[in-house]
Amino acid sequence: SAVISQKPSRDICQRGTSLTIQCQVDSQVTMMFWYRQQPGQSLTLIATANQGSEATYESGFVIDKFPISRPNLTFSTLTVSNMSPEDSSIYLCSVRTEGEKLFFGSGTQLSVL
Amino acid sequence: ILNVEQSPQSLHVQEGDSTNFTCSFPSSNFYALHWYRWETAKSPEALFVMTLNGDEKKKGRISATLNTKEGYSYLYIKGSQPEDSATYLCAFTNTGGFKTIFGAGTRLFVKA
Repeated sequence: SAVISQKPSRDICQRGTSLTIQCQVDSQVTMMFWYRQQPGQSLTLIATANQGSEATYESGFVIDKFPISRPNLTFSTLTVSNMSPEDSSIYLCSVRTEGEKLFFGSGTQLSVL
Repeated sequence: ILNVEQSPQSLHVQEGDSTNFTCSFPSSNFYALHWYRWETAKSPEALFVMTLNGDEKKKGRISATLNTKEGYSYLYIKGSQPEDSATYLCAFTNTGGFKTIFGAGTRLFVKA
């Protein structure tokens, strides 16, 4: 299993600003995943963060909008840049351990005004 | 394109009712099928991960089955309780990839 500390838990931001979300894992993991859930939608994968290399982004997501850092095997950040109301979502980080289960952080509820 | 479909979108049941949800996924390049339970203001919690066709898993009153040939899985809840109220997510991992794709979820409301 894995325990993930994610912060902030929620934030209300102004249009045009940026927010950085942090996730700390209690064990070393090769890959970390960043998801978001827009209102009424499914959990959508934004990118996979690998230590020592650039993140791999899914279709529709770009590095300029969602830069990711992965400085070591226990930590990652996701920045939501130049925010607009459409970025209002729940953002979740997750890791996969042996047995294929995903473990999630507690989520960041972002509201953009 | 990997597409995971869940039905129904939401479900209202009375305490004590048994219920089930459906998840359909691509039957090709299958690696694993997951079920998660997501309560409001909490993290999604893994219920089951199944990898073999015909797998059946059980955890208390909740069980799941898997048919990889036709690409569907069922989640069953026996004797629903108000604390079962949550969103139940199905997710699919394909072979050769390391990413897991989620369905939109089934929102369950259990009334006492």
